[in-house]
Amino acid sequence: AQSVTQPDIHITVSEGASLELRCNYSYGATPYLFWYVQSPGQGLQLLLKYFSGDTLVQGIKGFEAEFKRSQSSFNLRKPSVHWSDAAEYFCAVGPSLGGTASKLTFGTGTRLQVTL
Amino acid sequence: AAGVIQSPRHLIKEKRETATLKCYPIPRHDTVYWYQQGPGQDPQFLISFYEKMQSDKGSIPDRFSAQQFSDYHSELNMSSLELGDSALYFCASSSPRGNSPLHFGNGTRLTVT
Repeated sequence: AQSVTQPDIHITVSEGASLELRCNYSYGATPYLFWYVQSPGQGLQLLLKYFSGDTLVQGIKGFEAEFKRSQSSFNLRKPSVHWSDAAEYFCAVGPSLGGTASKLTFGTGTRLQVTL
Repeated sequence: AAGVIQSPRHLIKEKRETATLKCYPIPRHDTVYWYQQGPGQDPQFLISFYEKMQSDKGSIPDRFSAQQFSDYHSELNMSSLELGDSALYFCASSSPRGNSPLHFGNGTRLTVT
């Protein structure tokens, strides 16, 4: 069974500081990996995704993530955090069968707080 | 760009009542997914439909049912509501293209009193 672990429940960073959110996955085959962001009371917005190819993927809002198969990780990074980045971040894994990200499994999320 | 539309945004029901949530996928998306997110929880997959047929089933209670219509919109029907059904219900859609990610709507917040 697939699973996702986000070890950090809550992270606080200063505006302008760098950010790394950790994500580890467990999946038997080549996974599809995603990062979503959720502002309070809002829907899930896709930040970036990894299917294959280059292991460093660029997303929206200046985010990037690196897929490391040997570590089963897909950590999210941003070089300089903005106050508007404060939100809940979810890592998710989906099966690659059929080429469609069906039935995602989410991690428990990391709440990012940004101090001014 | 058009997004996934969910209605209503908020819904308040009493125990044992029924509720119907609607989802309108992005145009030309043929697959719809329903997720339930309890307070402080991660989204949990309920059920999905592809070309109007149920394609996968997750942790959906027997009191819930769903379907996808000919115009690809979907409805989640919830009966005999319980307090524990209070949650944010997300619909997501994806396109027929390979490597298509899920695009989520803003959700329906259901409160059962």
